[in-house]
Amino acid sequence: DQQVKQNSPSLSVQEGRISILNCDYTNSMFDYFLWYKKYPAEGPTFLISISSIKDKNEDGRFTVFLNKSAKHLSLHIVPSQPGDSAVYFCAASNNQGGKLIFGQGTELSVKP
Amino acid sequence: AAGVIQSPRHLIKEKRETATLKCYPIPRHDTVYWYQQGPGQDPQFLISFYEKMQSDKGSIPDRFSAQQFSDYHSELNMSSLELGDSALYFCASSLVGSSSTDTQYFGPGTRLTVL
Repeated sequence: DQQVKQNSPSLSVQEGRISILNCDYTNSMFDYFLWYKKYPAEGPTFLISISSIKDKNEDGRFTVFLNKSAKHLSLHIVPSQPGDSAVYFCAASNNQGGKLIFGQGTELSVKP
Repeated sequence: AAGVIQSPRHLIKEKRETATLKCYPIPRHDTVYWYQQGPGQDPQFLISFYEKMQSDKGSIPDRFSAQQFSDYHSELNMSSLELGDSALYFCASSLVGSSSTDTQYFGPGTRLTVL
């Protein structure tokens, strides 16, 4: 039972354009959502997070949008850079300090 | 800034052997989590500790055990290793009660290969 789903296994974007990565979840008890970036053979690197009481959080080139009614969140990267090429994981938790439930990941490729 | 440290980075074992993975959390972090990532899969939660007490347990085999010590480092002990245990094992740490309490910071992982 995949509670967090990233339905696009891969995404290719031109440098300078916007990258939009999507994530859907089924558990309405999730109250904290995070995006991680991961390179092969390395640990996930925290990018940005959002609490369920918000619908948008922005940090530099990264913005996360949360639509609770649709149980959907998205990560926008603008402008995209070749160094952004990696696998992006969406994750969710439903209690303070609780375990993270990960999506399957989306491999982003930003082409020069 | 100090990050999560894991050792060893790579480990090769034979079937039925035992393995011990170590994790040193970010200084002052009080919670440690262990995750397993199989090839082509997303990380799966194994177990977590808050202030040296087990706080949650996921899909961790009975052959595995873990603990958190007084200095907050944690060890994952794996016995009777099977081929299917080959995976990346990540440790993460967080500071429960901080403003970003649910943000877990991950270590570089230990790649375990069981032959």
